[in-house]
Amino acid sequence: DIQMTQSPSTLSASVGDRVTITCRASQSISSWLAWYQQKPGKAPKLLIYKASSLESGVPSRFSGSGSGTEFTLTISSLQPDDFATYYCQQYSNYWTFGQGTKVEIK
Amino acid sequence: EVQLVEAGGGLIQPGGSLRLSCAASGFNVSSNNTSWVRQAPGKGLEWVSFIYSAGSTYYADSVKGRFTISRDNSKNTLYLQMNSLRAEDTAMYYCARGRDGYDWGAFDIWGQGTVVTVSS
Repeated sequence: DIQMTQSPSTLSASVGDRVTITCRASQSISSWLAWYQQKPGKAPKLLIYKASSLESGVPSRFSGSGSGTEFTLTISSLQPDDFATYYCQQYSNYWTFGQGTKVEIK
Repeated sequence: EVQLVEAGGGLIQPGGSLRLSCAASGFNVSSNNTSWVRQAPGKGLEWVSFIYSAGSTYYADSVKGRFTISRDNSKNTLYLQMNSLRAEDTAMYYCARGRDGYDWGAFDIWGQGTVVTVSS
C-alpha cells in the first residue's frame, strides 16, 4: 500500500501570506496526485490534479508541483476563504489520502 | 446541474446491514467512474470503494468482503451495500465522481454526504 504523509499537520498563517504544504508518497506515484480543500461540514473540493493542473474555477493563487514522491501545494497569497483543511491524494495505485493539513488564522 | 445526492445513512447496531444510495444528475453514472469515500468524526478522508465505468470494482482492505459497490444505470444511481458493520465504520460517507480522461482517479464532483453511526 502507498502511504501519503503531509506536513505540517497544522499551519498558522495570516491573510496575504505565502503558504506551502508538503506531501510525500512512500513510493513513486509519478504525477498521479490530487489536492483537495475541505471546510467544516462540507464535502472536499478538488483544487489540483495530476500534481500541477488547476481544476476549472479554482483561483490561480493555488498551485501544485512535484513528481515521484515529493509534492507541494502553494497558496501564493492567503485569502480569508482559504482557511480550511487540505488533503493530498494519490491515484497511482488505488487511492490514498494524506492525513490533512489544517490552515488556521494566526 | 451536475450533482450527487447521497441517502440511506442512519444508526445501526454492530453486525447490521445498511445500503447507501447516491443519485446522480447532470451526467450518467454508467459512463463515469465513481467512488465512495468516508470520513470518521474528526478524522481524515479514507477511500472505501470504486466502480469503473466498465464495471470493475475495487475495495479498501478495511471493507473488502463486507461492502459491495454497485449501480443502477436506469436510475442513474450508485449504491454501497454495507454488511457486518462495525463501530469503526462510523463515518460520513461521500460518493464522488472521477474526472473525465486520464485523471479519472481524481474526484471532481462530491455529494454532501450521509452519516452512518454503528452503535448498540
